[in-house]
Amino acid sequence: GAVVSQHPSRVICKSGTSVKIECRSLDFQATTMFWYRQFPKQSLMLMATSNEGSKATYEQGVEKDKFLINHASLTLSTLTVTSAHPEDSSFYICLIKGNTEAFFGQGTRLTVV
Amino acid sequence: AQTVTQSQPEMSVQEAETVTLSCTYDTSENNYYLFWYKQPPSRQMILVIRQEAYKQQNATENRFSVNFQKAAKSFSLKISDSQLGDTAMYFCAFGRGTSYGKLTFGQGTILTVHP
Repeated sequence: GAVVSQHPSRVICKSGTSVKIECRSLDFQATTMFWYRQFPKQSLMLMATSNEGSKATYEQGVEKDKFLINHASLTLSTLTVTSAHPEDSSFYICLIKGNTEAFFGQGTRLTVV
Repeated sequence: AQTVTQSQPEMSVQEAETVTLSCTYDTSENNYYLFWYKQPPSRQMILVIRQEAYKQQNATENRFSVNFQKAAKSFSLKISDSQLGDTAMYFCAFGRGTSYGKLTFGQGTILTVHP
C-alpha cells in the first residue's frame, strides 16, 4: 500500500491566489520531508527540506516567502504557494525519508491561470 | 556539490531486447547511495534499483541490473527482456550518506519500448 499520500493531485488556481499542497506519511513518523519541483520533461529540483517542529531549509534561489512550508506534525508537511503566478505552474512532489529508502508522494500538478 | 549527468535524452529498444542507460556523477563524498527511478506517464516516481557505494557487488532486481564503476563514477542501468511497461522516463539520482532523501537527479532519459 501507499506509504505517502500527497493531495491534491491536480489543482487549477487563479493568478494571485494561494494554494496548499499536503504531504502525509501514512506508515511511519517522518521528521524530515523534502519538496521537489519538476517542469515538463525536465529533472526534479529540490526546493526545500521540511523539518518537523522547526523552520524549513530552502535551496538557493527558492523564495521562502513564496513557498511556505509547515511541518507541524510527524506525519504531515504542507507546501503553500502564495500569490501564485503562471510561472509557478509546475509539478510538485514530496519525498519522505524512511529507514532504508525514500518514498515519493504521487505529486501535484499545479496550473495557474 | 554533487552533479549527476545522463547524456542520453532519449533511447528506444525493441520489446524483449536489452538496453543500457548511462549515468555519470561527480562527488567528493565516500559514503553515498545511487538510485535509478522510473517515472511513467502517471508521473509517480518508482524506485527501480539502488546501490550503496561501499558495496562492490552490482545491485540487481529481476530484469534490472547496474554496472557500478566507483572509480570512474559511472552507474549505468541495464534492462533485460524489455517490456512495453518499461516505457517511461528514467532518472539517475545521488544521495549522500544517510541523507538519501536529499537527492540530486540527472536530467533523465526517455525510454520507449517498441512492440
